[in-house]
Order: sequence, then C-alpha cells, then structure tokens
Amino acid sequence: DAGVIQSPRHEVTEMGQEVTLRCKPISGHDYLFWYRQTMMRGLELLIYFNNNVPIDDSGMPEDRFSAKMPNASFSTLKIQPSEPRDSAVYFCASSSRRWPLDTQYFGPGTRLTVL
Amino acid sequence: KQEVTQIPAALSVPEGENLVLNCSFTDSAIYNLQWFRQDPGKGLTSLLLIQSSQREQTSGRLNASLDKSSGRSTLYIAASQPGDSATYLCAVSEGGSQGNLIFGKGTKLSVKP
Repeated sequence: DAGVIQSPRHEVTEMGQEVTLRCKPISGHDYLFWYRQTMMRGLELLIYFNNNVPIDDSGMPEDRFSAKMPNASFSTLKIQPSEPRDSAVYFCASSSRRWPLDTQYFGPGTRLTVL
Repeated sequence: KQEVTQIPAALSVPEGENLVLNCSFTDSAIYNLQWFRQDPGKGLTSLLLIQSSQREQTSGRLNASLDKSSGRSTLYIAASQPGDSATYLCAVSEGGSQGNLIFGKGTKLSVKP
C-alpha cells in the first residue's frame, strides 16, 4: 500500500486566498483525521471522520476552515480566506475500524505558508 | 483538560548509549498511549502503542512503559544509533472522545557518531 497520500506537499499563498489541501487515506481504513502542527501549539486534531461522516470538528479553529469527505478514498481541508496565522504543517492520518486499538497512519504533511 | 508533557525538549547523546525519554499526562482516564517518531519534513511513524490495560510494549531496541495511575510513560532506547536521531512524540487517546489523540510537543533526540 502507498500509505496516506497528501497533496500538495508545499503551498505558498497570499492572505485572503482560498487554500485546499487533499488527502487519500489508506484503502480500507474507516477513520480519517486532520491535524495541524505549529511550533507554538504542537500537533492538534482539527476534525475526524468515521465512514465518511464528520464525528468531531471541535478542533476546527473557526468558520474559515471546512473539511469534507465525499467518499472513502478522498478528503479535503479548505481554508477560505487564508490568513498568515494559518501557516503550519497540516497532516492527514487514517486508521482501521479497530481504532483506537490500532494506530493512526500519518501522511507526509502539507506545509502551508500564507504571506 | 488533558495535557501531555515531554521532558527533556531536546537530548544529545553519543552513539551506543542507552537513553530514556519521559512523557507525563494529567488525566489518567486514557484509552491508550502511543509513541511516534517524526523525521524532519516528514510525517509521524508509530513506534509503540500501549493499551490502558497494559504495562509495557517492546519492539526491537525500543521499550515503552505505562503507569496510568501516576500519569507517566517512558520510552527506553537501547544502544542508540545515529539513525535514531529524530523527534519523538508521545500521545494519549481519551476514551470519551475516541478520535482525540492529544500530543506532547516532543523530545528532539540527536545521537552523535
């Protein structure tokens, strides 16, 4: 298996622009997680899905952030409009139906820079 | 609110040394605890997962222990190698919200040849 795939790997944009981050989970996994990592706050869960349904979005910082999972093999995290404080590394992770008895498998991340 | 703390923030050791990384958490009502490794510019790789009913897990040169009552975990690395240089993250999963992995900020390990 190719593992969790994220695109793009790097994104540089200007304040006010819309940003879309993409994730393809490991085939057969039922859970998908979006995290954000910054030096100040470390790794924080933004939202997670179970069988394509959002379960907990309490970590989404504000209404400018939205996430969708239209099918079992694809998810997006959208920021509109983007702000410099959104600059961070965004990780997607997936896990089998055995979560939390199984681990989460992380993608390589998308490094977002908002100028 | 659960908080996870890792000490030290950074550690430098000569090759061959045995070392211990520490993790503490404030609420003992956890479902499991995991140790991850993060290499620069890359994602996280799971090293060991300890369920709340377990006391330790071992994988090769790595051994992780869990003392839920005291809110502590340690990651023991035997005979360290330069390839072990990375940031090590501890995370706990809370039973009430099964999706919520709460991470410490990590210990950056450097193993000098």
